[in-house]
Amino acid sequence: QKEVEQNSGPLSVPEGAIASLNCTYSDRGSQSFFWYRQYSGKSPELIMFIYSNGDKEDGRFTAQLNKASQYVSLLIRDSQPSDSATYLCAVVNNAGNMLTFGGGTRLMVKP
Amino acid sequence: DVKVTQSSRYLVKRTGEKVFLECVQDMDHENMFWYRQDPGLGLRLIYFSYDVKMKEKGDIPEGYSVSREKKERFSLILESASTNQTSMYLCASRLPSDTQYFGPGTRLTVL
Repeated sequence: QKEVEQNSGPLSVPEGAIASLNCTYSDRGSQSFFWYRQYSGKSPELIMFIYSNGDKEDGRFTAQLNKASQYVSLLIRDSQPSDSATYLCAVVNNAGNMLTFGGGTRLMVKP
Repeated sequence: DVKVTQSSRYLVKRTGEKVFLECVQDMDHENMFWYRQDPGLGLRLIYFSYDVKMKEKGDIPEGYSVSREKKERFSLILESASTNQTSMYLCASRLPSDTQYFGPGTRLTVL
């Protein structure tokens, strides 16, 4: 079992819809969680981080964390074609010294 | 403003050549990382460093070495480049328990 798992997609949503991206992790001791967006040919850029159970909102983005279920998600409201990218989930390891990345979910927002 | 720079965006080398990839960060981060990213394989950690002159192997260190003589600079060395090392190479840095920032990436082609 991979330490951080994501559905590779592609996830296709129409413009204006809510895109829901999911991630599960295996290390129950993980404390910090990050979402990165990566456009084709570019490096990952940080979108959000979340440390506590519950929801964290930043503009059109909401990160949701459920430590009991070892599940973190990213919701993108009012999806735009410019949101089309690969989204990487990352989890800080138990030692706190590095991130473990999921394989990424490719999101396609269709006009 | 956060800044991680890499010496080249694109590099073409021949099989057997020694290749140096340089990464510099201006955030006084202790931790620095080298990844490679290939289609379908995601981000894979090659080496990381916690401090000057310290290095640790990641998941795929074979064929690579690193050097960290100064805190801000982390170099990846391909002692004898091979065609299977053609890839996108990403450098990153972070403080412990903090956000990780990526450089723009170097797309290396080995002919």
